[in-house]
Amino acid sequence: EVQLVESGGALVQPGGSLRLSCAASGFIFNKYWMTWVRQAPGKGLEWVANINEDGSEKYYVDSVKGRFTVSRDNTKNSLYLQMNSLRAEDTAFYYCARGDYFGSESYYRRWGHKLGMAVWGQGTTVTVSS
Amino acid sequence: QSVLTQPPSASGAPGQRVTISCFGSSSNIGGNFVYWYQHLPGTAPKPLMYRNSQRPSGVPDRFSGSKSGSSASLAISGLRSEDEADYYCAVWDDSLSTWLFGGGTKVTVL
Repeated sequence: EVQLVESGGALVQPGGSLRLSCAASGFIFNKYWMTWVRQAPGKGLEWVANINEDGSEKYYVDSVKGRFTVSRDNTKNSLYLQMNSLRAEDTAFYYCARGDYFGSESYYRRWGHKLGMAVWGQGTTVTVSS
Repeated sequence: QSVLTQPPSASGAPGQRVTISCFGSSSNIGGNFVYWYQHLPGTAPKPLMYRNSQRPSGVPDRFSGSKSGSSASLAISGLRSEDEADYYCAVWDDSLSTWLFGGGTKVTVL
């Protein structure tokens, strides 16, 4: 069974740091793009960051650039989100997701970042408050 | 305000058809695949449509997706009470180099 399990969510003070983890199972982890998405209280879904199969290509939403870092450890089938300089507006439910796969290997290597999220975890809560 | 525009709400009686629109631009919907998700807050979003109109395994054929130019739509036919949820379109934007979600549409079954 394909599964993603997030962990690491907590209550943290403004300016603090937190590292989220996402443990993957049931699929060949190092073949897929991976993504973090969040939902703030009362708001819609917001894409945060994604990372390619070997971790060499990453993209971020503007509001987290310079503060958040997405990474992965393919030997541990795990995705991470290091969050620094946290702000109240980072308070949200954070989901990790596995990318959709389409086309040939060469197509996926070139355009995988444009394929959406196919499998989602249950999420973990981050609260930034003093 | 989202770059992708969805109506905030839609409703219909059981058995009716509801259509949710998603308006974007040439840098996003116009040139890339659109995905649709069903979501109840606090739970894992459920993919409903991949690559404009492909249903993932397990999604009933009451759900259908389409794309034309810089807009996309999701139709739900034979509306059922369990369809009450928030629905989001999502697409990559070539100009911003980010993924975009629409603002979400809350579907109510009357």
